[in-house]
Amino acid sequence: DTAVSQTPKYLVTQMGNDKSIKCEQNLGHDTMYWYKQDSKKFLKIMFSYNNKELIINETVPNRFSPKSPDKAHLNLHINSLELGDSAVYFCASSQNGQGAGYTFGSGTRLTVV
Amino acid sequence: SQKIEQNSEALNIQEGKTATLTCNYTNYSPAYLQWYRQDPGRGPVFLLLIRENEKEKRKERLKVTFDTTLKQSLFHITASQPADSATYLCALDSNAGKSTFGDGTTLTVKP
Repeated sequence: DTAVSQTPKYLVTQMGNDKSIKCEQNLGHDTMYWYKQDSKKFLKIMFSYNNKELIINETVPNRFSPKSPDKAHLNLHINSLELGDSAVYFCASSQNGQGAGYTFGSGTRLTVV
Repeated sequence: SQKIEQNSEALNIQEGKTATLTCNYTNYSPAYLQWYRQDPGRGPVFLLLIRENEKEKRKERLKVTFDTTLKQSLFHITASQPADSATYLCALDSNAGKSTFGDGTTLTVKP
């Protein structure tokens, strides 16, 4: 049973399109996150939700909109995709958001052409 | 601005030796520090967490130290094995629950 699962694993799309990435965790964790890992392997936090409430929103373009229908799901919708959005996007979860370590999904490799 | 540096992009060692990875930070007062392992094409896997009031933490062949005066954490893998080859990431966390990750050190253990 996968603890944090995200789909799709690969996403290739044209500039200007709108796409979504889905994430689900079955760990009963309270907090979920979206991270972006660029080609230089830096992992940068984008968003964090605690029990469906947005608690961290880093400097991310408005084209990125997270949605948390319940505490087990955190989806990421991206409008008007740009070449610079190409990266690996990781979903993660943790208990209470502090000090417990993060459980990451296996990532979604987004390529914008 | 906050900065996290991990020693050298790549570290090559011989099987059986101890690997030591470094995580230095500036302009940061972390409440705790975490280490993760990342294999190619996979998500990071949590290894160890050490709090600001702890000097050292151990888990099997892994040992982490945390010196808030030097603003440095050392991550040791003793009796290293080729299966330990991976990229290791450190992450610093404030009490706000927001983590800042380093860019990782890729460890290669040669048989």
